[in-house]
Amino acid sequence: DAKTTQPPSMDCAEGRAANLPCNHSTISGNEYVYWYRQIHSQGPQYIIHGLKNNETNEMASLIITEDRKSSTLILPHATLRDTAVYYCIVRTGLGGYQKVTFGTGTKLQVIP
Amino acid sequence: EAGVTQFPSHSVIEKGQTVTLRCDPISGHDNLYWYRRVMGKEIKFLLHFVKESKQDESGMPNNRFLAERTGGTYSTLKVQPAELEDSGVYFCASSQADLGNTEAFFGQGTRLTVV
Repeated sequence: DAKTTQPPSMDCAEGRAANLPCNHSTISGNEYVYWYRQIHSQGPQYIIHGLKNNETNEMASLIITEDRKSSTLILPHATLRDTAVYYCIVRTGLGGYQKVTFGTGTKLQVIP
Repeated sequence: EAGVTQFPSHSVIEKGQTVTLRCDPISGHDNLYWYRRVMGKEIKFLLHFVKESKQDESGMPNNRFLAERTGGTYSTLKVQPAELEDSGVYFCASSQADLGNTEAFFGQGTRLTVV
């Protein structure tokens, strides 16, 4: 699976949009971009995923560049409960098996 | 619907003892995965079950670790004998399918401390 690069930490004011970038320049055509987050010491929580189109769900939006070499996770109105470590992952799975590799992620601190 | 549950939430054992961790996946999920995070390191894949079969156990650190999933429902991960470096948080995850566009759901983890 492709490697990802994320900034180690970011701050965001409560109520503002949090934009978390991720570089995945070696992504292959059949690899999806996934975002998970880990709040404190809980298990990783699924947020969103996409292949090449932008995606939106009740938690966040995912913007993937046209060349798919980078993406941005957007939390539209960050709350204190969004403080967590956010992981950007790319994985394949067409007929294969899931072997997710978590990097170091981005530690997002939402500030009151 | 219940999520992925893991038991125990914490375990403290002495070096050389045996510990068994349990994971109950979401009902109907054929795919079950084990991961762990040792102190200061990243979350790493250990192995993957499809029903009761081991699909990939390439991440298992050594033969002191034994995972089973009899009947294709819950899974156990046994560490015998435990060593100090086995301390960490062990996560279990499950997914309905193992396709590129299927998310996995994680449990809360078991924090293992070997003293």
